[in-house]
Amino acid sequence: ETGVTQTPRHLVMGMTNKKSLKCEQHLGHNAMYWYKQSAKKPLELMFVYNFKEQTENNSVPSRFSPECPNSSHLFLHLHTLQPEDSALYLCASSQEVALAGPPDTQYFGPGTRLTVL
Amino acid sequence: GENVGLHLPTLSVQEGDNSIINCAYSNSASDYFIWYKQESGKGPQFIIDIRSNMDKRQGQRVTVLLNKTVKHLSLQIAATQPGDSAVYFCAEAFNNAGNMLTFGGGTRLMVKP
Repeated sequence: ETGVTQTPRHLVMGMTNKKSLKCEQHLGHNAMYWYKQSAKKPLELMFVYNFKEQTENNSVPSRFSPECPNSSHLFLHLHTLQPEDSALYLCASSQEVALAGPPDTQYFGPGTRLTVL
Repeated sequence: GENVGLHLPTLSVQEGDNSIINCAYSNSASDYFIWYKQESGKGPQFIIDIRSNMDKRQGQRVTVLLNKTVKHLSLQIAATQPGDSAVYFCAEAFNNAGNMLTFGGGTRLMVKP
């Protein structure tokens, strides 16, 4: 395993529900990421956190709300989602966000398969 | 599994043969390229990377070739095994860009026993 765990692995929710996705990394990393992998598009970066601070929001709609209480945990709070939000949501971590030089290697979790009805 | 519905190019090879997976990247200014492997039910897993000032890099059973003239990247897998069956993605990045990766659409590799 990669050292990055995600729960739940599968989630079905209605458009009016509120749910949260959880990610935990056991690698001692300081950067964590949320990605969306949908059936029709390549893997898309959503959010980046470095030392608990958000450093990137890739124009993600406000119905997705990330939270990073510490360097080991990352949440994605979901509310009022749309059917087109159905996708595999992947969490990743890296040593830190490399501000200079090449990017640090990112280690991915297995993802949460989300279905919005 | 992942990417069902996305019309991924598929490469089917016989076990023991060599595989070549291709990727056309978008930005001629990219500094860094990475190959990831994603097996069914799992997240992407780093395989190998290459910097833009190189044209070849070898790992264990894998070789990445970079042709900057035509913005083309390839992953060669020697003696392909059933465990190599997966979707393979290339990604590109810039130096000093805070770990931002741009992923390609992926290629599905199927290994026939």
